Amino acid sequence: QQQVKQSPQSLIVQKGGISIINCAYENTAFDYFPWYQQFPGKGPALLIAIRPDVSEKKEGRFTISFNKSAKQFSLHIMDSQPGDSATYFCAASKGNAGNMLTFGGGTRLMVKP
Amino acid sequence: SQTIHQWPATLVQPVGSPLSLECTVEGTSNPNLYWYRQAAGRGLQLLFYSVGIGQISSEVPQNLSASRPQDWQFILSSKKLLLSDSGFYLCAWRWQGSGNTIYFGEGSWLTVV
Repeated sequence: QQQVKQSPQSLIVQKGGISIINCAYENTAFDYFPWYQQFPGKGPALLIAIRPDVSEKKEGRFTISFNKSAKQFSLHIMDSQPGDSATYFCAASKGNAGNMLTFGGGTRLMVKP
Repeated sequence: SQTIHQWPATLVQPVGSPLSLECTVEGTSNPNLYWYRQAAGRGLQLLFYSVGIGQISSEVPQNLSASRPQDWQFILSSKKLLLSDSGFYLCAWRWQGSGNTIYFGEGSWLTVV
């Protein structure tokens, strides 16, 4: 059972545009929602994370928007750059139960120059 | 500082041969350790996790096994590889002080031929 659904699977954005990736979760016990960025041949790296007590978190050009009632969260990349081209994974975990992260299926982003 | 090492980086193995991938961490004690697999262009699948020496939990039944002989060492093994075992294997960890975040190693590319 996929507990975190991510969309779209792939995304093409022009340089300077806004990239938006969406995730929906089912388990209301989830209380930590990170986003990872993965370049080809590399391990995923933490990009930004949010907890459900806030509706938005911004770090540079990256913003997470969180809607607790809808059980959805999204990543916005402002002023997208070719260097942002990568695969992005959303994830969710609950409590301290080994902090098992449940990952979305990933979104392959391509930013065209 | 906390660091994670994973090797070998690339491996080509014939069907039916054994496998051993090693992951070591340093900079903290009693971390949680994880093995993930990522098929080409696909998402992240949790294979095993460990909360301590000799403590292994399996998420997916398969012909792979994991062991944690030392607090800082996590090994992924197989006695006989299958073609379907090909993929990108990622070791990850979480330590006290990293909060809910898990951090990934650089990964090991396994091609079974």
